[in-house]
Amino acid sequence: GNSVTQMEGPVTLSEEAFLTINCTYTATGYPSLFWYVQYPGEGLQLLLKATKADDKGSNKGFEATYRKETTSFHLEKGSVQVSDSAVYFCVTVDTGRRALTFGSGTRLQVQP
Amino acid sequence: EAGVAQSPRYKIIEKRQSVAFWCNPISGHATLYWYQQILGQGPKLLIQFQNNGVVDDSQLPKDRFSAERLKGVDSTLKIQPAKLEDSAVYLCASSLAASTSTDTQYFGPGTRLTVL
Repeated sequence: GNSVTQMEGPVTLSEEAFLTINCTYTATGYPSLFWYVQYPGEGLQLLLKATKADDKGSNKGFEATYRKETTSFHLEKGSVQVSDSAVYFCVTVDTGRRALTFGSGTRLQVQP
Repeated sequence: EAGVAQSPRYKIIEKRQSVAFWCNPISGHATLYWYQQILGQGPKLLIQFQNNGVVDDSQLPKDRFSAERLKGVDSTLKIQPAKLEDSAVYLCASSLAASTSTDTQYFGPGTRLTVL
């Protein structure tokens, strides 16, 4: 089945800093890729997605590009805010089973 | 639009006891998922229903876990008997359909289970 590896946290940044959270995947075929976010005290929610190679998903200032050559889907944001503090999960979908496969999560802490 | 509802939010039991979790998906969503999230890990799928039929239960420990989705709406996940390693957050999610791999899954707040 599919697997996802993402950078370990916590990642601590100052407000307005640039963010990168690395994510690589292994899969057969070309699965869809997602970033989910879990804010403190809230449920998991979809942040962005990309369904084919070279697609760029974007939302709330976050971006990630589906790189088939490097099997990567790194999450980036140019200027983080305190409200971005959360746990971020890189996710792939097993097209055979249609089940989501999650990475272990990266906790982001943004300090004012 | 109401989100996915789960109850209880927290549960503490002793090993070998039984426990049940309840999930009410978003209205009209045909597909319902149960995930287990152990502390420090990403969620892992336990079982997937489409309407009231099981699509995938390959990761469900069937000797102690069971789940049902009567009438294709609400669902219940049961553990009997519980083990210490079952301590985790149990997440319920729903999606409109399972016809495509890009269908967005909406998650509930989860039930945090502690087994002593």
